[in-house]
Amino acid sequence: DAGVIQSPRHEVTEMGQEVTLRCKPISGHDYLFWYRQTMMRGLELLIYFNNNVPIDDSGMPEDRFSAKMPNASFSTLKIQPSEPRDSAVYFCASSFSALAGGETQYFGPGTRLLVL
Amino acid sequence: ELKVEQNPLFLSMQEGKNYTIYCNYSTTSDRLYWYRQDPGKSLESLFVLLSNGAVKQEGRLMASLDTKARLSTLHITAAVHDLSATYFCAVNTGTASKLTFGTGTRLQVTL
Repeated sequence: DAGVIQSPRHEVTEMGQEVTLRCKPISGHDYLFWYRQTMMRGLELLIYFNNNVPIDDSGMPEDRFSAKMPNASFSTLKIQPSEPRDSAVYFCASSFSALAGGETQYFGPGTRLLVL
Repeated sequence: ELKVEQNPLFLSMQEGKNYTIYCNYSTTSDRLYWYRQDPGKSLESLFVLLSNGAVKQEGRLMASLDTKARLSTLHITAAVHDLSATYFCAVNTGTASKLTFGTGTRLQVTL
């Protein structure tokens, strides 16, 4: 298995531009998570989906952030308009709700976003 | 609100030495995870601890869980340079797979 796939790996944009981050979870996994990691705030959960349905978006910082999961193999995180304080590494993770396995989350390589 | 605290935040140790990283959490949880992150890389799962008294070992790392004390430890035996990384613990909040991560412990193993 290729693991969780994210694109782009790096993104540099200017303030005010729209940014779209993409994620392909591990095949067969039914949970998908979006995290943001910064030095100041550590690793924060933004939103997660179960079977393509958003379950908890309480970590989404504000209305500029939105996430979708149109099917089991694809999710997007969009920031519009972007601001310099959005600069961070954004991780996507997926897991399978097999109780015996402990539901380990597997992380993608991350997208390093820099907003100028 | 669940709080997960790790200490120390930074640990510099010599090769061959032993040390322990601590993870405390504030509310009841039945699952605890340890992850490793190398600089500029993603998070890699190390251990899943599913019950009180659970102990798991992989190489020079051993993790344990005491749910009554709300404490997990990650013990490093005879450290080697390759173990240099940031280690995170994460606790399940009881809502499906949602995890709350600790602040991380940056481990630096020196020759």
